[in-house]
Amino acid sequence: QSALTQPASVSGSPGQSITISCTGTSSDVGNYNYVSWYQQHPGKAPKLIIYEVSKRPSGVSNRFSGSKSGNTASLTISGLQAEDEADYYCSSYTSSSTRVFGTGTKVTVL
Amino acid sequence: QVQLQESGPGLVKPSQTLSLTCTVSGGSISSGSYYWSWIRQPAGKGLEWIGRIYTSGSTNYNPSLKSRVTISLDTSKNQFSLKLSSVTAADTAVYYCAREVVVVAATQTYYFDYWGQGTLVTVSS
Repeated sequence: QSALTQPASVSGSPGQSITISCTGTSSDVGNYNYVSWYQQHPGKAPKLIIYEVSKRPSGVSNRFSGSKSGNTASLTISGLQAEDEADYYCSSYTSSSTRVFGTGTKVTVL
Repeated sequence: QVQLQESGPGLVKPSQTLSLTCTVSGGSISSGSYYWSWIRQPAGKGLEWIGRIYTSGSTNYNPSLKSRVTISLDTSKNQFSLKLSSVTAADTAVYYCAREVVVVAATQTYYFDYWGQGTLVTVSS
């Protein structure tokens, strides 16, 4: 199975909004609403920030939002803050009952 | 509060078998609402799903690793384990165990909500 495709890096100034894309196929992202997003700070374990495409776990800032269109899911961070600087990964359920992660995106706050 | 903790050798010789255990506290590994998963991350690279096990013992593995991977469950110790055989330098990575939610309020779902801190395994002679 191939990793989902994400841009290697995205940057923005404090207060701005950025969007990270996650492109898969009809065997994963396109056919299931089981896309989740994870934030990973250096040396730390990933943290769940979005599940089922657009739902936020309790305690996660509402500045994080998710959506999906066709084979591409997206994560938007609004009101960018210095603490949002991290790596972000999408993940999807697949038609083979396996899981696949995205290639990862490094978010830089300018 | 659920916690997961990986344990095992930090150094494995090439061609040998990597063995790791994940101890779960704050919740039962026998719950039917979760899968128990292994995920790895080579230094400076992305996350790779290795596989998962359900309380029934059923497993699913990453096709690229399937021939070398075995995940098992020990409900008496509230632990699950990973074995990866015939390792090479390419298997050097931080290995995470994680809990995957599969049922919420009788509704199917899939996401990883709790992760261990990760353990670095280096394959070298």
